Parts: sequence; C-alpha cells; structure tokens
Amino acid sequence: KAGVTQTPRYLIKTRGQQVTLSCSPISGHRSVSWYQQTPGQGLQFLFEYFSETQRNKGNFPGRFSGRQFSNSRSEMNVSTLELGDSALYLCASSGTGGENEQFFGPGTRLTVL
Amino acid sequence: SQKIEQNSEALNIQEGKTATLTCNYTNYSPAYLQWYRQDPGRGPVFLLLIRENEKEKRKERLKVTFDTTLKQSLFHITASQPADSATYLCALEGGGYQKVTFGIGTKLQVIP
Repeated sequence: KAGVTQTPRYLIKTRGQQVTLSCSPISGHRSVSWYQQTPGQGLQFLFEYFSETQRNKGNFPGRFSGRQFSNSRSEMNVSTLELGDSALYLCASSGTGGENEQFFGPGTRLTVL
Repeated sequence: SQKIEQNSEALNIQEGKTATLTCNYTNYSPAYLQWYRQDPGRGPVFLLLIRENEKEKRKERLKVTFDTTLKQSLFHITASQPADSATYLCALEGGGYQKVTFGIGTKLQVIP
C-alpha cells in the first residue's frame, strides 16, 4: 500500500497570504488528522476528520480550517498567515483496525516571511 | 490542563547499552499510550501501543511499561545501535474518538 502523501513538501509565503495544504491518506483509511510541529511546542493537534466530518478540534484560531472529501483526501487552509505559522505541518491517517496507530506523511514545511 | 512531559534534553548512550526514555503525564486518564520514532525532516513512525490495563509490552529490542498509578511510561531499547538515534515521542489517547496528544519528544543519540 502506498503511504500517506502530502503536497507540497515545501512552501514559502509572506505574511497576510493564505495557504492550502493537501493530504492523501492510506487507501481505506477514513480518519485524517493534522498537526503543527515546531521545535519549541512539539506536535500540536489541529483537527481530525472522519468520513468528511470534523470529529475533533485543537486549540488553534479560526484562521486554521480543514475539510475532507468523499475519497478521504483532506486539505487544510491557513488564512492571513503570520510569522508564527512557520512550521512543519503533518498529516496522519488511521484505519479502524489494528492498534489505533497513526501513519504520518512526510509533512509540508511552511515558511512565512 | 492535560500535560505530557518527556525529557526534552538529549539522551546520549554508548552502543550496546539499554536506553530508557520516560514519559510522564498529569490530568489525564489515557486509554492508550503510544510511542513513535521521528527522524529529522520526516513524519513520526509508530512503534508500540500499550493499553491502560497492560503493564508491559515488548517488540524485538523494544519494551514499554505503563504505570497508571505513577502516571508514567518507560520506553526501553536494549542493545542500542547508532541506527536507533532519533527523537522518540510518546502519545496519549483517551479512547473512543478522542484526539491523540503528543509529548515534545526525547532525542536519543547512540554513540558508537
């Protein structure tokens, strides 16, 4: 099976712009979670989608939003970018069996100038 | 508020020794505790999961213990190798459809 893929891998934006990141989960996985990772804060949970519905949400401002499509692919959007949004954004998918483990993609490195 | 603590300082050990990493938590009653490995520039990779009613779990050179009274998990790598050098993350999940919360990770360096 192909792993979780994320596009783009690297992105440079300026303050005030918006960005959309994409994640394709492992085939058959219906749950997709998004995380922000920075050196000081570690992995911070953004939100989780399951069957096109947001199932959980972290403590991030409304500038961060997401959605999931019927094929389980997910996108997250950040509007009005701030310098502090520079981070590695990771997407993870999980299935309904197994040990509840999450399978992570390689991440998108976002730099806000 | 819920808090997960991992020794954020790097842990350096000699090749062949056992590495022991600690994960402590407060204000949390996790149903599962997971350990992940993360290499620089890559996403975390799942290693082991231990449930609240399990005391210990093993997988090859890895061993995880889970003490819900102490609110602590220990992660052991026996006969460590330089290839084990990475950052190790613990993650807690409350069960059901609750979100997974990660610790900040501990960087392990195995010295040849």
